[in-house]
Amino acid sequence: KNEVEQSPQNLTAQEGEFITINCSYSVGISALHWLQQHPGGGIVSLFMLSSGKKKHGRLIATINIQEKHSSLHITASHPRDSAVYICAVRLGGDYKLSFGAGTTVTVRA
Amino acid sequence: KAGVTQTPRYLIKTRGQQVTLSCSPISGHRSVSWYQQTPGQGLQFLFEYFSETQRNKGNFPGRFSGRQFSNSRSEMNVSTLELGDSALYLCASSLEGGKTEAFFGQGTRLTVV
Repeated sequence: KNEVEQSPQNLTAQEGEFITINCSYSVGISALHWLQQHPGGGIVSLFMLSSGKKKHGRLIATINIQEKHSSLHITASHPRDSAVYICAVRLGGDYKLSFGAGTTVTVRA
Repeated sequence: KAGVTQTPRYLIKTRGQQVTLSCSPISGHRSVSWYQQTPGQGLQFLFEYFSETQRNKGNFPGRFSGRQFSNSRSEMNVSTLELGDSALYLCASSLEGGKTEAFFGQGTRLTVV
């Protein structure tokens, strides 16, 4: 079983809709990252969380350490938000990231 | 400031050859990690270097190796290439690894024919 589980695997939304992507992990972590990958490969780090909530523009990320769960929300979605969103966790004192399988988001105009 | 730079962006190699990929981290970052991304396996950790020392290694065969130089630039090498090594190879830099935020490069897409 993967240490990091993401849902849904795929998501299609209409422009303007509110989008939520979920990430669950099975062990204690020191940090959780939300990453965005557009076609072509490059990965952009959206957030790094170890507790609470962070907001950047239309993106909000939350984490519940006790429940081992994080969510990424996109408000007022736009076609340019279409990408693969990946949850990654850093386990305890480890220096490596373990990744979820990613959520492919398609936002239609 | 400049981001993480990976070279080359694209590479085609023949089975059995070896390849060296380069990663220049953000200035001041001392930790560099390498990851392999394939359609079947997703993103997987290869290794992490900090101040020229390998601190952690993923579950990859010995054909995959790396090093880090005193200026924090890192290289990874794959010897005796196999078709299954075709992948996007990404590096990420951070100040110190651990809880510090990671910044990714654009990746090197390696195709083995």
